[in-house]
Amino acid sequence: ETGVTQSPTHLIKTRGQQVTLRCSSQSGHNTVSWYQQALGQGPQFIFQYYREEENGRGNFPPRFSGLQFPNYSSELNVNALELDDSALYLCASSFGGGGYTEAFFGQGTRLTVV
Amino acid sequence: AQRVTQPEKLLSVFKGAPVELKCNYSYSGSPELFWYVQYSRQRLQLLLRHISRESIKGFTADLNKGETSFHLKKPFAQEEDSAMYYCALSVNTGGFKTIFGAGTRLFVKA
Repeated sequence: ETGVTQSPTHLIKTRGQQVTLRCSSQSGHNTVSWYQQALGQGPQFIFQYYREEENGRGNFPPRFSGLQFPNYSSELNVNALELDDSALYLCASSFGGGGYTEAFFGQGTRLTVV
Repeated sequence: AQRVTQPEKLLSVFKGAPVELKCNYSYSGSPELFWYVQYSRQRLQLLLRHISRESIKGFTADLNKGETSFHLKKPFAQEEDSAMYYCALSVNTGGFKTIFGAGTRLFVKA
């Protein structure tokens, strides 16, 4: 059984560019949630995908979009990057949608926007 | 709007002392509450959830709906308990989301 893996671990982008972050869910899980964690803050919920459909969304603008694939891996896309998008992006996989089962977190992708 | 408040950014206690990490939430429905922990250089991981009413590593948390609180407690702190602790609330209001508090760093001194 493999854990949740995210790629890349670090990246630097220029303001206005687009970025794609990737997450491989834990074996047997069909749900992926994405979070943004700014320095000194708790994780902020971006959205969740359950069986390839968006199952919930936090207070993030439409330039934050996602995708879940048939193997339940997921992507987070951010368009028109802003300096404030600099943060640690976490994904978490779980089984069954919602938030009522244990979520297993990845190590995160550190995004720096310059 | 739903919210989770952890009033203490840092809590420092001596080994063997009791510890209580505070968590208050605002949500009008029936809450699903969790405590997550992040040890140094490790990933965020679930510590416990209120629905299972279990004790993990000596920690317990009781949901108090009247006070809208879900404080985390341990009677005798250990050095290995030093970590970042996050309280989280899961809600479904026409779409699912999980709201995390800002976290409390617990430091257990020898």
